[in-house]
Amino acid sequence: AQSVAQPEDQVNVAEGNPLTVKCTYSVSGNPYLFWYVQYPNRGLQFLLKYITGDNLVKGSYGFEAEFNKSQTSFHLKKPSALVSDSALYFCAVRDQGGSQGNLIFGKGTKLSVKP
Amino acid sequence: EAGVVQSPRYKIIEKKQPVAFWCNPISGHNTLYWYLQNLGQGPELLIRYENEEAVDDSQLPKDRFSAERLKGVDSTLKIQPAELGDSAVYLCAVPREGSYEQYFGPGTRLTVT
Repeated sequence: AQSVAQPEDQVNVAEGNPLTVKCTYSVSGNPYLFWYVQYPNRGLQFLLKYITGDNLVKGSYGFEAEFNKSQTSFHLKKPSALVSDSALYFCAVRDQGGSQGNLIFGKGTKLSVKP
Repeated sequence: EAGVVQSPRYKIIEKKQPVAFWCNPISGHNTLYWYLQNLGQGPELLIRYENEEAVDDSQLPKDRFSAERLKGVDSTLKIQPAELGDSAVYLCAVPREGSYEQYFGPGTRLTVT
């Protein structure tokens, strides 16, 4: 069964510092991986995805993520955090089995960026 | 959020009452998803539609939950009767055309008292 794990419930970063939000995955076959962000009282917004190609993918709002097949990881990164980046971040994998197309989400990581 | 409308945004009901949520993918999509998001958790799939047909409802608690998408456009998710544990956010999503990611609506936050 496909799954993703986000080992950190919360990440605290000072504004201007680099940030990393961790995600590891478990899939059979090639993974289709996604990052979403959720601001308070709003739906999930797509940030970026890895399907194939370069291991470093760039997305919205200056975020990027690095796909590492040997470590089965897809960590979200940003070189310089902003206070406005404070939100919930979800890693997801596309179900490649019987429920094709469905997304399987991690439990989320709360990012807090302090001024 | 653009392209998926959900209503109501918030709903408070007493346990054992019925409740319904509505989703309209404005641009028109063959595929539509309903997800359940409990507090502090990631969304979990409830049901997936391809046009009018529910092609994956294995996670839908069928004793009290039902859904419909009669014309293959908008969809309604119903709970009858609601239980305290149903308090959560109910999200509707559609796939981005020609891609793998999904667009999510703002969700309906249900509180059962």
